[in-house]
Amino acid sequence: EAQVTQNPRYLITVTGKKLTVTCSQNMNHEYMSWYRQDPGLGLRQIYYSMNVEVTDKGDVPEGYKVSRKEKRNFPLILESPSPNQTSLYFCASSLFRTVAYEQYFGPGTRLTVT
Amino acid sequence: DQQVKQNSPSLSVQEGRISILNCDYTNSMFDYFLWYKKYPAEGPTFLISISSIKDKNEDGRFTVFLNKSAKHLSLHIVPSQPGDSAVYFCAATGNQFYFGTGTSLTVIP
Repeated sequence: EAQVTQNPRYLITVTGKKLTVTCSQNMNHEYMSWYRQDPGLGLRQIYYSMNVEVTDKGDVPEGYKVSRKEKRNFPLILESPSPNQTSLYFCASSLFRTVAYEQYFGPGTRLTVT
Repeated sequence: DQQVKQNSPSLSVQEGRISILNCDYTNSMFDYFLWYKKYPAEGPTFLISISSIKDKNEDGRFTVFLNKSAKHLSLHIVPSQPGDSAVYFCAATGNQFYFGTGTSLTVIP
């Protein structure tokens, strides 16, 4: 089954404790991306990657890191989480030619930073 | 500044009637436009898309219209069904994706 998986689905942590949210896709997609969803703000892109070893900042990259060492995986790293990073996070993947096409989303990770 | 805007946070429509969801964008360089549907506690699911070189794309009950001169995108759902009740996001892309803030559609049986 074609899918994007994220782990963990729920996470409660404390300020400053480093965490990683994993994302994996089995569709051989070139493009992968992380978003956060906040009330009234819709989905905002954090980082995206057009292929292995290629990553770019989205609209809200501050406080986040990513890496793309393999095509299927795109982990999101919060080195020192703060309460304003409490949000619902989605990973997504898509084909990429000259543009990124329709993205397939994971089920989401709800993060709470206290 | 938001590059993709959905100015109607909510919309209610009777079952069987047409639902029209609207979206405006600011960047004329966007190549591709998409609509997503989202249920609570799930990731968004792709609905329909349109290339910037077209002005209409149809898929069953769903039609997307693109007016490049007005920088306006709309999604028509005909006929509307109760299962269509969800939050709808429009998005625009080149390399980076930009999403609107969403419109919550309620289809009343």
